[in-house]
Amino acid sequence: QQPVQSPQAVILREGEDAVINCSSSKALYSVHWYRQKHGEAPVFLMILLKGGEQKGHEKISASFNEKKQQSSLYLTASQLSYSGTYFCGTEGSGGATNKLIFGTGTLLAVQP
Amino acid sequence: KAGVTQTPRYLIKTRGQQVTLSCSPISGHRSVSWYQQTPGQGLQFLFEYFSETQRNKGNFPGRFSGRQFSNSRSEMNVSTLELGDSALYLCASSPIAGHGYTFGSGTRLTVV
Repeated sequence: QQPVQSPQAVILREGEDAVINCSSSKALYSVHWYRQKHGEAPVFLMILLKGGEQKGHEKISASFNEKKQQSSLYLTASQLSYSGTYFCGTEGSGGATNKLIFGTGTLLAVQP
Repeated sequence: KAGVTQTPRYLIKTRGQQVTLSCSPISGHRSVSWYQQTPGQGLQFLFEYFSETQRNKGNFPGRFSGRQFSNSRSEMNVSTLELGDSALYLCASSPIAGHGYTFGSGTRLTVV
């Protein structure tokens, strides 16, 4: 089952914050986050394993609520380089199976 | 270190033909996953190989197949091509489950 991402698209001004959500109907073992710029391959941002940890990567961080089967990606003080499509990928609760199912993506556009 | 290499970058095929795509993972990465990316469907999981064994499979018809060699290089094959198979095919490698994926630049397949 494909996870659902929201919003589908968001437009920001430089310096503004954004939150991208990822929800699954199934219990999860892990959530991955990737960013894909137009014409390029997706790039790994971070992985969160069940346990509810919050991870950070410069001004981009994420949380994983195992009970709600949800993850959120937080982008603070956005920069032009943050523009792209963000995908969450989820693995089911059976463990680390490497069957990563991606959401439909969130298009983020950061304007000067 | 070298990234994930996919060949060829572009392919144009005729309906009914078959095609083979190649993926060389990062050295030391034993897991290779394949995805089909289209504007309407996003990143769809095809299959995943680990140590020459297909461990996971997505919901694609039997025309889509793959294999992995002892050096972890992987190929995917699509037989009896249909117009709807036109897409960007991405492969991704990871060392083991529970780690982030590194994607290749993809093979853009156009079926005419």
